[in-house]
Amino acid sequence: DIQMTQSPSSLSASVGDRVTITCRASQGIRNDLGWYQQKPGKAPKRLIYAASSLQSGVPSRFSGSGSETEFTLTISSLQPEDFATYYCLQHNSYPLTFGGGTKVEIK
Amino acid sequence: EVQLVESGGGLVQPGGSLRLSCAASGFTFSSYWMSWVRQAPGKGLEWVANIKVDGSEKNYVDSVKGRFTISRDNAKNSLYLQMNSLRAEDTAVYYCAAGLGATGTYWGQGTLVTVSS
Repeated sequence: DIQMTQSPSSLSASVGDRVTITCRASQGIRNDLGWYQQKPGKAPKRLIYAASSLQSGVPSRFSGSGSETEFTLTISSLQPEDFATYYCLQHNSYPLTFGGGTKVEIK
Repeated sequence: EVQLVESGGGLVQPGGSLRLSCAASGFTFSSYWMSWVRQAPGKGLEWVANIKVDGSEKNYVDSVKGRFTISRDNAKNSLYLQMNSLRAEDTAVYYCAAGLGATGTYWGQGTLVTVSS
């Protein structure tokens, strides 16, 4: 199984901050990775697909980069509505696996 | 408007069975691989199973192999998850999701399954 190691597990940041979240895959997964945002009590919402493509309707302050084993989600200027938990998901091989999540909290 | 609506969750005793359903509308259901993803209370997301557009291929996470069966009915735009021999660790919100690896993806709002005596 491919392990997705996500870091940090939590972070505190202020509105306007630049935030970076990383996922490392235990083996190469090309660009078969998506980034999701989840708010309490809600279903996950995909922000990025194919590692770096912005999902339609998602603000441009979100961006993704990386390939094979190292991936990054960046929020260029954190907004109040961005406080949530973020997950990466690899769909390169079975079983599909999520990262452990990063909870972004208000400083 | 795209909708995925899960149903069938509830309280079940350990060793019992439950069948989840997911009704899809607003998109071409028969063109999408479909998945079930679960989330235990206070925990992260876990992919459970998926099924190919025509039902000819199914994949499962090891922890549910032999106990859960995913199926679909494209004529009814519906996805199912038959869950047998349920365990306490199966307690979670179960989401149905379309196109996890595709350009477009859709998720339902989830249904809670609680396994407890």
